[in-house]
Amino acid sequence: SQTIHQWPATLVQPVGSPLSLECTVEGTSNPNLYWYRQAAGRGLQLLFYSVGIGQISSEVPQNLSASRPQDRQFILSSKKLLLSDSGFYLCAWRGGTEAFFGQGTRLTVV
Amino acid sequence: AQSVTQLGSHVSVSEGALVLLRCNYSSSVPPYLFWYVQYPNQGLQLLLKYTSAATLVKGINGFEAEFKKSETSFHLTKPSAHMSDAAEYFCAVIEYNQGGKLIFGQGTELSVKP
Repeated sequence: SQTIHQWPATLVQPVGSPLSLECTVEGTSNPNLYWYRQAAGRGLQLLFYSVGIGQISSEVPQNLSASRPQDRQFILSSKKLLLSDSGFYLCAWRGGTEAFFGQGTRLTVV
Repeated sequence: AQSVTQLGSHVSVSEGALVLLRCNYSSSVPPYLFWYVQYPNQGLQLLLKYTSAATLVKGINGFEAEFKKSETSFHLTKPSAHMSDAAEYFCAVIEYNQGGKLIFGQGTELSVKP
């Protein structure tokens, strides 16, 4: 069966520090992959999506970037975090008509 | 482009009462629609989905939703609320023109009073 792993679960980082969040999928090949951010009390904002290795589409101009070095690996990065980058980050993959989500990473920038 | 609108950011019901969470969609093609539930500090769990088969869709935990094309709606209902239903609920549609991304509504927080 398909599973999605996302880590770490929580992260506290100082302003200006780098960020790397990793997401891996098992049990499927060539999935569409997505990074969403959920700010406190707000809905889900799509940040990036990828339909294949090395193919990244950005939805919102921001301080973040994404990469897909392998078929089932999706990485969210930042060179220098801002306070506004705090939030709950969710990785997801879509196969057919269903999307599956990781457990999320709670990022607090201090 | 497809979009969804959830009416009401907060809904409060009493335990045992009917739950009704509203979702309206905008789509130029037959949509694929979803309801997800999110418990605090967790990912999203699929409740149910509509993929152009039966218009009344039954999901997990006693929830169901009815696709009404004439009203462009996909409201989520449950006959009798349980305390464990308290969570955030999201309606979503697939945007096939752009990588098949899921477009989410703003979410509705459901509170259940004893």
